[in-house]
Amino acid sequence: AQTVTQSQPEMSVQEAETVTLSCTYDTSESNYYLFWYKQPPSRQMILVIRQEAYKQQNATENRFSVNFQKAAKSFSLKISDSQLGDTAMYFCAFMNPMDSNYQLIWGAGTKLIIKP
Amino acid sequence: DSGVTQTPKHLITATGQRVTLRCSPRSGDLSVYWYQQSLDQGLQFLIQYYNGEERAKGNILERFSAQQFPDLHSELNLSSLELGDSALYFCASSVVGGASTDTQYFGPGTRLTVL
Repeated sequence: AQTVTQSQPEMSVQEAETVTLSCTYDTSESNYYLFWYKQPPSRQMILVIRQEAYKQQNATENRFSVNFQKAAKSFSLKISDSQLGDTAMYFCAFMNPMDSNYQLIWGAGTKLIIKP
Repeated sequence: DSGVTQTPKHLITATGQRVTLRCSPRSGDLSVYWYQQSLDQGLQFLIQYYNGEERAKGNILERFSAQQFPDLHSELNLSSLELGDSALYFCASSVVGGASTDTQYFGPGTRLTVL
């Protein structure tokens, strides 16, 4: 069974700094999708970025980028020039497209606090 | 705005009561997922519907049920409510099928408080 591990329960950085959130996963599949979602204090669940495992290029969305290391089964999220609005819980998630249910397997989350 | 709508935003009720939560997926999405998130917890998958049919079940209690209607909106019914059912209930939708569409988009959630 696939599992997702986020080893950092909580992190805090100063505004404008760069921060990296870790995520590792376990799977025997070769094709899959990985996601980062953020949940700010409003508790809305917002898609941050997604990565297809067959793509070697790391996904980027503005200040958010990932470091996808397929062999190491690692999928870290880098936030550059962090802003106060980045304060949120960040969840890493895995999906196996061969699973006809397209279910997400979730990590436990990392609470990120951006300090002014 | 993800395009997924949920009503109501907040719901306060008493133990033993029954409530219905509603979700409208994004235009074009055929699949609806329901999740429960208790305070400071991760998301627990409850159930998935695809084009009107139940597709997968997660940790859904027998007191809970759901359905997806022909117009693709979905309802989650919670009955014989207990204090422990107080949580944030999310609905997510996806197209299901096709590499560019295997992404779940979440609604704003319904916050249920059972007193």
